[in-house]
Amino acid sequence: AQKITQTQPGMFVQEKEAVTLDCTYDTSDQSYGLFWYKQPSSGEMIFLIYQGSYDEQNATEGRYSLNFQKARKSANLVISASQLGDSAMYFCAMRDYNGGSQGNLIFGKGTKLSVKP
Amino acid sequence: GAGVSQSPSNKVTEKGKDVELRCDPISGHTALYWYRQSLGQGLEFLIYFQGNSAPDKSGLPSDRFSAERTGGSVSTLTIQRTQQEDSAVYLCASRGANSYNEQFFGPGTRLTVL
Repeated sequence: AQKITQTQPGMFVQEKEAVTLDCTYDTSDQSYGLFWYKQPSSGEMIFLIYQGSYDEQNATEGRYSLNFQKARKSANLVISASQLGDSAMYFCAMRDYNGGSQGNLIFGKGTKLSVKP
Repeated sequence: GAGVSQSPSNKVTEKGKDVELRCDPISGHTALYWYRQSLGQGLEFLIYFQGNSAPDKSGLPSDRFSAERTGGSVSTLTIQRTQQEDSAVYLCASRGANSYNEQFFGPGTRLTVL
């Protein structure tokens, strides 16, 4: 069965510094997608970044980058130049292709990031 | 450019009552998902719709839970005879036919069963 593991329940980072949020995954599929979502205290899930299993380059979106190490089955999120508004829960997720186009997401437990001024 | 909307934003009900939660996906999005977020279980997949059909109901926790989607748009999640363990945030997400990746989430409905 597919599984996402986030081992850091909480993280602190100083404003303007970079931070890495860990994510490991388990799947027997060759084709899969990995996602990171941000959930601020308002509750809405905000899509940050996507990495496909066949993508050779690490995904980047502005201050977000995904450190994809396929052999280690890890997909860590790196946030550069942290801002106070980055304080939120961060979820790593895997898309379950289930042999078709269904695509529901399997989520990790999340990491609560707190940015200190 | 409306996003996914959900109503009500908050619902407090008594144990044993039925509740209906509504999701309005982004216009034109064919795929719709319901998830549940609770403290003990994290985020769990409940049900997936492609158009009006639900090919995967495997995530529904019991037969008290049901969902429908009409006109390929609005979806309703119904919980019958609510229990205290049903208390959670229910999130809806939609995805366009041409977007293989990104799901857009609504703000959720916080359900509290007393």
